[in-house]
Amino acid sequence: AQSVAQPEDQVNVAEGNPLTVKCTYSVSGNPYLFWYVQYPNRGLQFLLKYITGDNLVKGSYGFEAEFNKSQTSFHLKKPSALVSDSALYFCAVRDSISSGSARQLTFGSGTQLTVLP
Amino acid sequence: DTAVSQTPKYLVTQMGNDKSIKCEQNLGHDTMYWYKQDSKKFLKIMFSYNNKELIINETVPNRFSPKSPDKAHLNLHINSLELGDSAVYFCASSQGTPRTDTQYFGPGTRLTVL
Repeated sequence: AQSVAQPEDQVNVAEGNPLTVKCTYSVSGNPYLFWYVQYPNRGLQFLLKYITGDNLVKGSYGFEAEFNKSQTSFHLKKPSALVSDSALYFCAVRDSISSGSARQLTFGSGTQLTVLP
Repeated sequence: DTAVSQTPKYLVTQMGNDKSIKCEQNLGHDTMYWYKQDSKKFLKIMFSYNNKELIINETVPNRFSPKSPDKAHLNLHINSLELGDSAVYFCASSQGTPRTDTQYFGPGTRLTVL
């Protein structure tokens, strides 16, 4: 079975400071990991994904995420936060060896990021 | 030039009614999905569908039925609506390798059952 956890419901950071949104996962095989962002009253927008290769993945809007196999984590980061980054962020995982309905994308519970001016 | 679109954006209806939500994608993708986002923002897959295979989440009541007239459309029909069906429903689509493909989401349909 695959699962993903976002331990923080809310993250507050001052504009210009670095931000981190945490994500940990559990899979039986290899993980395929995704980050999405949801702005108020909007659908989810894809930010980045890790499939294989370099552990540091760069994505849209200056975001990046680091895959850490030993810690089963895939934290989202940005060197300098903007007020416009304030949104709901979702981590998601697929297991490389799942089958049937289990091979669907499993989302975390979301982390609300607020960047304070 | 909207990639994934849904209609209606808002849907308010009475318990017991039957309603449909429509989804269309112009990305040329071969797989489409329906998700339910509850009041706590928890997002859960309901269905995924491509031309050859429908994958159903076992926890979805059979009052919910996806209907795909063609590759670009996946509609969601809901019978005998219940209060607990109130949520935001998102359609998504993807193309390529099923496990690694990126899903693109529509703007959502907010369903309120009174």
